[in-house]
Amino acid sequence: AQTVTQSQPEMSVQEAETVTLSCTYDTSESNYYLFWYKQPPSRQMILVIRQEAYKQQNATENRFSVNFQKAAKSFSLKISDSQLGDTAMYFCAFLHYGGSQGNLIFGKGTKLSVKP
Amino acid sequence: DVKVTQSSRYLVKRTGEKVFLECVQDMDHENMFWYRQDPGLGLRLIYFSYDVKMKEKGDIPEGYSVSREKKERFSLILESASTNQTSMYLCASSFEGLPKQYFGPGTRLTVT
Repeated sequence: AQTVTQSQPEMSVQEAETVTLSCTYDTSESNYYLFWYKQPPSRQMILVIRQEAYKQQNATENRFSVNFQKAAKSFSLKISDSQLGDTAMYFCAFLHYGGSQGNLIFGKGTKLSVKP
Repeated sequence: DVKVTQSSRYLVKRTGEKVFLECVQDMDHENMFWYRQDPGLGLRLIYFSYDVKMKEKGDIPEGYSVSREKKERFSLILESASTNQTSMYLCASSFEGLPKQYFGPGTRLTVT
């Protein structure tokens, strides 16, 4: 069975600084996706960034980038130039590719606070 | 834009009541999911459906059932609500074979 571990329950960062959220996972599958989802306070969960396991290049989306280390089964999220709107719960998630149902396995989340 | 809506943002029910949580998506997605979100536990899958009238148990199906009579609608049913079912419930949907899931705003259910 796959597991996803986020070892940092809470983090804080000053506005405009850079912060890295950690995620490790365990799987015997070779084809999978990894995701970071963001859930702002009292708002909808949205996808931040996605990484296909077969791609060596790390995904980037504007100020968000990942450090994907497949051998180490590590998938960290880096947020550059942090903004107040980045304050949210962040969830790392795993999806086995090829499963038609596509159910995600989530970590327990990291609560990020961006301070002015 | 994909829209996933849930019937209530907040719900308060009494122990033993039958509770229905409704989820509707407008993008013709084949897959629909119900998750439960608790502090310190993340999201856990209750049930999912990959087609009309089809359902599969997730990680924590006990005490819940689901119904999918139409493609766009996926209902979560608590047959006899208990206090340990107080939680945030999130619905999501996705296309068959595509990885991205779209989430609804959530229903915060309190059972007293």
